[in-house]
Amino acid sequence: EAQVTQNPRYLITVTGKKLTVTCSQNMNHEYMSWYRQDPGLGLRQIYYSMNVEVTDKGDVPEGYKVSRKEKRNFPLILESPSPNQTSLYFCASRSSGAGQTYEQYFGPGTRLTVT
Amino acid sequence: GNSVTQMEGPVTLSEEAFLTINCTYTATGYPSLFWYVQYPGEGLQLLLKATKADDKGSNKGFEATYRKETTSFHLEKGSVQVSDSAVYFCALRENTGGFKTIFGAGTRLFVKA
Repeated sequence: EAQVTQNPRYLITVTGKKLTVTCSQNMNHEYMSWYRQDPGLGLRQIYYSMNVEVTDKGDVPEGYKVSRKEKRNFPLILESPSPNQTSLYFCASRSSGAGQTYEQYFGPGTRLTVT
Repeated sequence: GNSVTQMEGPVTLSEEAFLTINCTYTATGYPSLFWYVQYPGEGLQLLLKATKADDKGSNKGFEATYRKETTSFHLEKGSVQVSDSAVYFCALRENTGGFKTIFGAGTRLFVKA
């Protein structure tokens, strides 16, 4: 089954304690992306990756890091989480290519609370 | 920059009512347009899409037409069901550069039996 998986689904942590949210896709997609969803703001892109070892900032990258060492995995790292990073996070993937209209496939989400 | 604006919710309807959720966009060039749906506790799923002006996307009784002259992509359904209760996101995908997808704020729909 084609899918994007994220772990953990729920996480409560304290300010300053480093954490990683994993994301994996089994569709051999080149493009992967992280979003955060906040009430009234929709989805905002944090980082994206066009392929292995190619990452770039989205609209709200501050306080986050990513890496893309393998095509299937795209972890999101919060080196020193703060309460304003409390949010619902989604990983997504899609095929790449100019002129295409490939849909994005989303993971189930990770609800993060930073106290 | 490019942006998507959709009507604020929540929208509350009775079963079998007609649904319209408005979406307008600002974009340079010729973006592709999408509606995604998010059911409670789940990630977003593609509902329908349109890639060029006057295209109509449709799925599960939902429809939306890409109107370049009014820069709109309104979502409609003739008769909603309780199971349609969800959050609906309008989105555009730029067709240049990084092919970024930009989402609207989402519209929550409640359908009462």
